[in-house]
Amino acid sequence: GAGVSQSPSNKVTEKGKDVELRCDPISGHTALYWYRQSLGQGLEFLIYFQGNSAPDKSGLPSDRFSAERTGGSVSTLTIQRTQQEDSAVYLCASSLESQAGKNIQYFGAGTRLSVL
Amino acid sequence: AQSVAQPEDQVNVAEGNPLTVKCTYSVSGNPYLFWYVQYPNRGLQFLLKYITGDNLVKGSYGFEAEFNKSQTSFHLKKPSALVSDSALYFCGLGNKLIFGSGTRLLVRP
Repeated sequence: GAGVSQSPSNKVTEKGKDVELRCDPISGHTALYWYRQSLGQGLEFLIYFQGNSAPDKSGLPSDRFSAERTGGSVSTLTIQRTQQEDSAVYLCASSLESQAGKNIQYFGAGTRLSVL
Repeated sequence: AQSVAQPEDQVNVAEGNPLTVKCTYSVSGNPYLFWYVQYPNRGLQFLLKYITGDNLVKGSYGFEAEFNKSQTSFHLKKPSALVSDSALYFCGLGNKLIFGSGTRLLVRP
């Protein structure tokens, strides 16, 4: 079956513009995660969705960042008024129900965002 | 504070030699620990995990990791490195969705 799909694979935008990044998780996975990987940095947790529960937004760096998950499947990460420091690779992952962090996460290839 | 540390930015080994990539953690309660590998321009791939049970965990591609509660460590090991093992390795704490900063493994022929 298909893995986690992210689009676009690359996005170049101008400072101040809004961007939307899309993630299609593996079918049947109820948990979905967004991470940010900056050059020379590790993985930074942003947000995670688990079924119909309220998402854990504790990792979002500012109110310019938001995410939705429609119908328990596809997720969109939106960054408003992009800044140069937002340049990074944004990774999405999904897993079977979260079970307090016990389950394997399956990652997409990421979206490389460049803010000029 | 709950955290994961990978103290080495890069590990260099010769092909055929054993390798170790270090990871230490700090968490309240029982840790759920993972290792993932990232090849260039790819997402992370699962290698192995420790949830409970035997302290020595065996995973994909001949890798294994040893959970040491007293030292709060979960080091990744392989008896004989391959050039194709060269990649970026991340240790993760499942409980808090925290990952270490990553260790770049370079295996020279």
